Amino acid sequence: DVKVTQSSRYLVKRTGEKVFLECVQDMDHENMFWYRQDPGLGLRLIYFSYDVKMKEKGDIPEGYSVSREKKERFSLILESASTNQTSMYLCASSVGVDNSPLHFGNGTRLTVT
Amino acid sequence: QKEVEQNSGPLSVPEGAIASLNCTYSDRGSQSFFWYRQYSGKSPELIMFIYSNGDKEDGRFTAQLNKASQYVSLLIRDSQPSDSATYLCAAQGGKLIFGQGTELSVKP
Repeated sequence: DVKVTQSSRYLVKRTGEKVFLECVQDMDHENMFWYRQDPGLGLRLIYFSYDVKMKEKGDIPEGYSVSREKKERFSLILESASTNQTSMYLCASSVGVDNSPLHFGNGTRLTVT
Repeated sequence: QKEVEQNSGPLSVPEGAIASLNCTYSDRGSQSFFWYRQYSGKSPELIMFIYSNGDKEDGRFTAQLNKASQYVSLLIRDSQPSDSATYLCAAQGGKLIFGQGTELSVKP
């Protein structure tokens, strides 16, 4: 089974802090994604990556950056956390072929105070 | 704006009944369709995917796809209280688009 591991289940950070969310997958998947999920807004794509050191903006990249130095690891960075970034963050990965399904990590619930 | 639409629910069915979850999509170029189940406070988990018109069965679950009508559905037979969750439909052409989800409640 595919395992996508997010480093923290819950995080509480202060406004203005730099926040790192880590994600590791163990199935040699080419594609990795970061989503946030908010009530009434559904899943929204922040950034994705199809290869090491490659990144593409999703639908809501503002206030975020990403890093993919190794194939198995995809990090989401909140440069200066704000209260409107309080959310559930979901990492996902998929095989590098068209239309392959996403496999999600357990999620990180981030609260910014 | 490419969209995937689902009834928000909640859809309530008695235990043992068939639950029918529906989804429509706007992008005619969509080729692949996915159903995810999400328990409260948990992450989505893939339960079915379908690429071709018709039905695809997996245990108590059946996914149905009608590309001409741009419609995909998920049937859950012999519904159990453990099936109570939010079900997310997703359609992929170039981009994967998620619906808002339908909340299903199975009453004992």
